[in-house]
Amino acid sequence: DAGITQSPRHKVTETGTPVTLRCHQTENHRYMYWYRQDPGHGLRLIHYSYGVKDTDKGEVSDGYSVSRSKTEDFLLTLESATSSQTSVYFCAISPGKNSPLHFGNGTRLTVT
Amino acid sequence: GQQVMQIPQYQHVQEGEDFTTYCNSSTTLSNIQWYKQRPGGHPVFLIQLVKSGEVKKQKRLTFQFGEAKKNSSLHITATQTTDVGTYFCAGSWSNTDKLIFGTGTRLQVFP
Repeated sequence: DAGITQSPRHKVTETGTPVTLRCHQTENHRYMYWYRQDPGHGLRLIHYSYGVKDTDKGEVSDGYSVSRSKTEDFLLTLESATSSQTSVYFCAISPGKNSPLHFGNGTRLTVT
Repeated sequence: GQQVMQIPQYQHVQEGEDFTTYCNSSTTLSNIQWYKQRPGGHPVFLIQLVKSGEVKKQKRLTFQFGEAKKNSSLHITATQTTDVGTYFCAGSWSNTDKLIFGTGTRLQVFP
């Protein structure tokens, strides 16, 4: 969708390797979020950011780290990928606290 | 804890029948949002409820926020095949920036 881009769209990686997913926005929104989606679990919040260099943990942050060095980019890193991190990862943006989220198209990650 | 429970997990209906999904939090929410995700797509925002007892309508969709701001529902009247998808509620609380999603209700509509 216009305004938010996730890359890559698909990735296959091996257990134990580091992986970085990128979320890029052109809306100048303050808030950015990373969610993972798995059958039966809905969308679970991994980490979120409320400004440049301001991040906080979500519900399932173990094994993940994030960085936001500029407003438009929010990176999600799997430090050492495991098969349990096979999932669809969605980035979302919003202009303010409690504002509606606008989601990217997702990244399908497979860890073999 | 800050979590949102959503039921049912699945609902299969005949076209023309009504559909309802429910969300519940054990603690008072500051607001609740509803999203729809079509198969293979990403969640799309539908509506936000903020006030106690609030009711909002979008064509055949009716959204309610409970008086205690702990529960919410989405009701679809006379479902159509275009309503197929997964409906999520998402809650936020006054002491956090987090938006926590329910597990979703997957709606299947048979013509």
